[in-house]
Amino acid sequence: DTEVTQTPKHLVMGMTNKKSLKCEQHMGHRAMYWYKQKAKKPPELMFVYSYEKLSINESVPSRFSPECPNSSLLNLHLHALQPEDSALYLCASSQPIEGWNTEAFFGQGTRLTVV
Amino acid sequence: DAKTTQPNSMESNEEEPVHLPCNHSTISGTDYIHWYRQLPSQGPEYVIHGLTSNVNNRMASLAIAEDRKSSTLILHRATLRDAAVYYCILNGQNFVFGPGTRLSVLP
Repeated sequence: DTEVTQTPKHLVMGMTNKKSLKCEQHMGHRAMYWYKQKAKKPPELMFVYSYEKLSINESVPSRFSPECPNSSLLNLHLHALQPEDSALYLCASSQPIEGWNTEAFFGQGTRLTVV
Repeated sequence: DAKTTQPNSMESNEEEPVHLPCNHSTISGTDYIHWYRQLPSQGPEYVIHGLTSNVNNRMASLAIAEDRKSSTLILHRATLRDAAVYYCILNGQNFVFGPGTRLSVLP
C-alpha cells in the first residue's frame, strides 16, 4: 500500500465552524506533512511531524491546529477560518531518513472552501 | 533550504524528448535533488531523485552536473499524460517547493 488517503475530498465551512481534515498512511512512514496550495501556486509547507512530534511550524496562524495521534494518522483542526484560507490542503508522508535519500508520497488533497 | 530556479513554462511535442532544467547554485554537499510533478487536480507525485550520479527509472532520467549546481530531468518520449507542473526540490530538511515549470505537451 503506497497511498496517502485524505478525507474529506471536499469541505465547505463557515467562518464560525470547527472542522478537521484527516490524513492516513500505512507505509510505516514516520514523517508527515501538511501543505496549503492556492490555485496556480506551488504547495506551501505548513507543518512537519517527525516521529509523532511537531518539528516544523512555518509560522502558521493558530486557527490551524495540527495533531498526530499515532504514526499512521495526521489531523488538521480548523477553527474560525477566513475566506482567504480557501485552498487545497495536501498531506504527505516519508521516511525521516538522515540525508533525505527518500521520497515523499502525497495525498490527493482536501479542497476547502470557507464561506 | 537552498533555492532552485526553473523556467516558468515549456512546451513539447508528443513522443519527443523533453529536457527540464533546474539551477541550484547554492546546493550543499548533502542535499539530494528531487523532482516531483503535479498533474491537474491531483497531489504531487514523485518522479526521481539523486545525489551526484545520473539516475534512471521507469518514468524519467535525471542528469546532474558535475559541480551539482544544475540538473536536468529528461522525459524520453513525452505523452499527453506528462502535461503537468514539474518541481525541482533540494532536500536539506524538508520538501519545500519552488514555483516549478509548467510543461505543455502538444499532440
